[in-house]
Amino acid sequence: GEDVEQSLFLSVREGDSSVINCTYTDSSSTYLYWYKQEPGAGLQLLTYIFSNMDMKQDQRLTVLLNKKDKHLSLRIADTQTGDSAIYFCAENMRNDYKLSFGAGTTVTVRA
Amino acid sequence: DVKVTQSSRYLVKRTGEKVFLECVQDMDHENMFWYRQDPGLGLRLIYFSYDVKMKEKGDIPEGYSVSREKKERFSLILESASTNQTSMYLCALGDYNEQFFGPGTRLTVL
Repeated sequence: GEDVEQSLFLSVREGDSSVINCTYTDSSSTYLYWYKQEPGAGLQLLTYIFSNMDMKQDQRLTVLLNKKDKHLSLRIADTQTGDSAIYFCAENMRNDYKLSFGAGTTVTVRA
Repeated sequence: DVKVTQSSRYLVKRTGEKVFLECVQDMDHENMFWYRQDPGLGLRLIYFSYDVKMKEKGDIPEGYSVSREKKERFSLILESASTNQTSMYLCALGDYNEQFFGPGTRLTVL
C-alpha cells in the first residue's frame, strides 16, 4: 500500500536480532500491526500496538512506535530459522477497521 | 480456533471466464474482506462486507464484484477474468484488534 512503506528484504544470521522498519502516513490510526506470512500460508497477526503507546514487548518481539516520525519497528531477538517469513506492517486508516498494508519485508535467516 | 476456509488453493482459468472465489467462516463475524497480494505491492483491499447483503468497495474494485447472501460466506467474482488478475487472493474477517486470514487462493489467468 502506498501509505505504508517498508524495505523489501532483510537477511540475518541465526541468533542475531532482526529489526524491521516501517513508516506510515495516517496520524489518526489507532492501531498499528505486524503480521507474519509463512510460505504457502495466509497472514497471522504477530502483535499490535495502540497509538498512545511507545513500546510493547511480547517474549522475543519488541515493537517501538515513534508517532512524531510515524515510524514503527519490530525487533525479533535471537532470530531462529522458523522466523523466516514475510512480515507486513499495517495501520487502520482513518480509525476504521479497514487495514492498509505495506509491501512486506522478506526475512531470510541464515545459519 | 478461528477457521477461514477458501474453496481452492490453486486455480487456473482462461481469459474471459467467469470466476468465483469462495470464503467461508465459522466465527459468525460481521466483517469480511477480500484482498489481493502481489510481490512488492503487499495486500490491497478489493471489497469488504460488514453484514449480509452489505458491501463496500475497497481500493481496487475494478473488474471484481462480491456477494454476501449468508453471514458465513463471502464470494469474490471475476466477471470476465483477465491476465492482470493473476494473483494471490486472500479472504479475511475481523475488526480493529485482529483480522484472521484464510490460506489464500493462487489464481492464474491464461
